Amino acid sequence: AQRVTQPEKLLSVFKGAPVELKCNYSYSGSPELFWYVQYSRQRLQLLLRHISRESIKGFTADLNKGETSFHLKKPFAQEEDSAMYYCALSGRGFQKLVFGTGTRLLVSP
Amino acid sequence: NAGVTQTPKFQVLKTGQSMTLQCAQDMNHNSMYWYRQDPGMGLRLIYYSASEGTTDKGEVPNGYNASRLNKREFSLRLESAAPSQTSVYFCASTPSGTETKKLFFGSGTQLSVL
Repeated sequence: AQRVTQPEKLLSVFKGAPVELKCNYSYSGSPELFWYVQYSRQRLQLLLRHISRESIKGFTADLNKGETSFHLKKPFAQEEDSAMYYCALSGRGFQKLVFGTGTRLLVSP
Repeated sequence: NAGVTQTPKFQVLKTGQSMTLQCAQDMNHNSMYWYRQDPGMGLRLIYYSASEGTTDKGEVPNGYNASRLNKREFSLRLESAAPSQTSVYFCASTPSGTETKKLFFGSGTQLSVL
């Protein structure tokens, strides 16, 4: 079965501090991992996916198959990063996405 | 370009009433999904449609039925609403090919069942 765990409901940091939002997963096959973000009064949207190995808005995430983790990191948080972040998992081919419970990031000035 | 459009945005029902949530996308996407979002539970998949003409149950289908009316439209019906169905409902769609699994979300329907 697919399962995504985001252990932190709320992460509060000051502007300029490093940020790490944790995501662990359980999946027997070869997973595809994603981070979705929901800013206040905006639609949920894709932030990044591990296949692309990209950096979006200064965020990066590396898939660690040994630790079954896909933590989201940013070296210097900005106030506009405040949002709800969801980690999501899918198998190869057509597979529905399973989401974690989400972490609310609050960046204070 | 409207993307994914959901109606209504807000709805209040009494226990036992029925209603249909509507969703339409204008991006020619193959797959469509209905999720519910609850505090502390994240997003949970209710129903999905991998392609036009197909509908499958997700994690939490009880109390719901879904219909893929055509390639554009995917509706979700509550036959007899219960307070446990109070939630925010999101419709999403994905294209095919390499962009599969990049979900495009609607703005949500906030449903309260009294």
